[in-house]
Amino acid sequence: EAQVTQNPRYLITVTGKKLTVTCSQNMNHEYMSWYRQDPGLGLRQIYYSMNVEVTDKGDVPEGYKVSRKEKRNFPLILESPSPNQTSLYFCASSWGLAGSTDTQYFGPGTRLTVL
Amino acid sequence: GNSVTQMEGPVTLSEEAFLTINCTYTATGYPSLFWYVQYPGEGLQLLLKATKADDKGSNKGFEATYRKETTSFHLEKGSVQVSDSAVYFCALSAHLGGGYQKVTFGIGTKLQVIP
Repeated sequence: EAQVTQNPRYLITVTGKKLTVTCSQNMNHEYMSWYRQDPGLGLRQIYYSMNVEVTDKGDVPEGYKVSRKEKRNFPLILESPSPNQTSLYFCASSWGLAGSTDTQYFGPGTRLTVL
Repeated sequence: GNSVTQMEGPVTLSEEAFLTINCTYTATGYPSLFWYVQYPGEGLQLLLKATKADDKGSNKGFEATYRKETTSFHLEKGSVQVSDSAVYFCALSAHLGGGYQKVTFGIGTKLQVIP
């Protein structure tokens, strides 16, 4: 089954404690992206990757890091989480090469609370 | 930059009522337009899309027509069901060169359908 998986689904942590949210896709997609969803703000892109070892900032990258060492995986790293990073996070993937008609496939989301 | 405007809602309708969720956009060039749906506790999934002016996307009884002259992509359904209760996101996708696909989302419109 074609899917994007994220782990964990729920996480409560404390300020400053490094964490990683994993994302994996099994569709051989080139393009992967991280979003955060906040009430009244919709989805905002954090980082994206066009291929292995190619990543770039989205609209709200501050406080986040990513890496793309393998095509299927795109982890999101919060080196020193703060309460304003409490949010619902989504990973997404798409072919990326077919142009702007691409459909994005989303993971189920990770709800993060930073105390 | 590109932008997508839609009402946040909630929109509350009785079962079998007619649904319209308005979406307007601002973009340079010729973006593709999408409607994504997010059911409670899940990630976003594609509902329908249109890739050029006057195209009509349709799926599960929902329809939207790409109107370049009014820069709109309004979502409609003739008769909603309780199972349509979800958050609906309008989005546009534009190529920014170098293989990069930039997707811009609206804030999402929550639809509640009551029996």
